[in-house]
Amino acid sequence: DTAVSQTPKYLVTQMGNDKSIKCEQNLGHDTMYWYKQDSKKFLKIMFSYNNKELIINETVPNRFSPKSPDKAHLNLHINSLELGDSAVYFCASSQNSGRTYEQYFGPGTRLTVT
Amino acid sequence: GDSVTQMEGPVTLSEEAFLTINCTYTATGYPSLFWYVQYPGEGLQLLLKATKADDKGSNKGFEATYRKETTSFHLEKGSVQVSDSAVYFCALTKGGGADGLTFGKGTHLIIQP
Repeated sequence: DTAVSQTPKYLVTQMGNDKSIKCEQNLGHDTMYWYKQDSKKFLKIMFSYNNKELIINETVPNRFSPKSPDKAHLNLHINSLELGDSAVYFCASSQNSGRTYEQYFGPGTRLTVT
Repeated sequence: GDSVTQMEGPVTLSEEAFLTINCTYTATGYPSLFWYVQYPGEGLQLLLKATKADDKGSNKGFEATYRKETTSFHLEKGSVQVSDSAVYFCALTKGGGADGLTFGKGTHLIIQP
């Protein structure tokens, strides 16, 4: 069973379009995240969502909006796509109790904006 | 803010060589430390972790010790294999709520037969 899954794996779209990436985790975790990996492989947190509390990285444009229908899902919606949005987007989840806080990652969604 | 610094790559080694990838961090408080590995075309896999000073994380022959006095978490392996070729990321989190991971820039490791 896949612990953290994302769809689609690849997404090619044109500038100005709106797209969504879906994420689901079956680990029973209470916290989910979105990360962006740029062309140089650098990873940066975009959002985290814990018990209905959304924590936003202030550097993320407001064209990006996470939506969580329930604890097991955290989707990422992107409006008015720009060339600079091309990247690999990773979803992750963790259980924020105890002391460990390790996060488990999905396989990633490679977004290409043309 | 918090930050992680790791050695730039690529690092190229011969099979069975000894591996060290340096990682140092800057953070207030007592972060948890992690090494993640990313194989080509795949997501990140947790390789090992340590949550307090002097803890040693280990997995698949890799080890790293949480050194608070030097704020370091260097990754080591005694004998690398071609299958270890990947990008390795050092990361930290202070947890508590929904803190994301702060990553280093990644080290690309290439093992030659």
